[in-house]
Amino acid sequence: TQLLEQSPQFLSIQEGENLTVYCNSSSVFSSLQWYRQEPGEGPVLLVTVVTGGEVKKLKRLTFQFGDARKDSSLHITAAQPGDTGLYLCAGARGGTSYGKLTFGQGTILTVHP
Amino acid sequence: DSGVTQTPKHLITATGQRVTLRCSPRSGDLSVYWYQQSLDQGLQFLIQYYNGEERAKGNILERFSAQQFPDLHSELNLSSLELGDSALYFCASSDGTATFPTGELFFGEGSRLTVL
Repeated sequence: TQLLEQSPQFLSIQEGENLTVYCNSSSVFSSLQWYRQEPGEGPVLLVTVVTGGEVKKLKRLTFQFGDARKDSSLHITAAQPGDTGLYLCAGARGGTSYGKLTFGQGTILTVHP
Repeated sequence: DSGVTQTPKHLITATGQRVTLRCSPRSGDLSVYWYQQSLDQGLQFLIQYYNGEERAKGNILERFSAQQFPDLHSELNLSSLELGDSALYFCASSDGTATFPTGELFFGEGSRLTVL
């Protein structure tokens, strides 16, 4: 079984602080995705990283895929209360079953005003 | 709004019973995926259908079954329910033709099942 370990599980910070969430695995994934889920809703895709060492930026969010494609990180700069939510990393294997994602346990982020 | 519709949103039933969860994918999407989200296991892939045919299987119990109909909607049937089956069940869809591996899944709002 390919497992994705996310850390930390919980993160409670003040508005304006920076934070990093980590996603690690002993297995190689063809791609890794980050989702954000709010209460009562399904996960929403933030980004997909494909190439080892790839860095993608989405406004204040920076995503990185490890060189060996076994780990990834999400860095948020100057967090805002609107960033509060559950952040999930998900690894995809190859072929036509790319939707068969392996999800990490998630990081619950709370940003206090 | 992801465009994926799931019903019912909430369901409370007793152990030993059987329930059916329904999913309507986004217009034009051929692939449907079912995921289970629980506090202890997180989000787990159950099964995928593509244009009516089973495409991939995950950790789906034998008591669970699914199908995708000609109009592309899908149903997940859960039988002989146990307390541990209480969870959020998500349906997701994709067009199935997006170039791997950047394809995006669109998730519904989920069906919360409580087994008493």
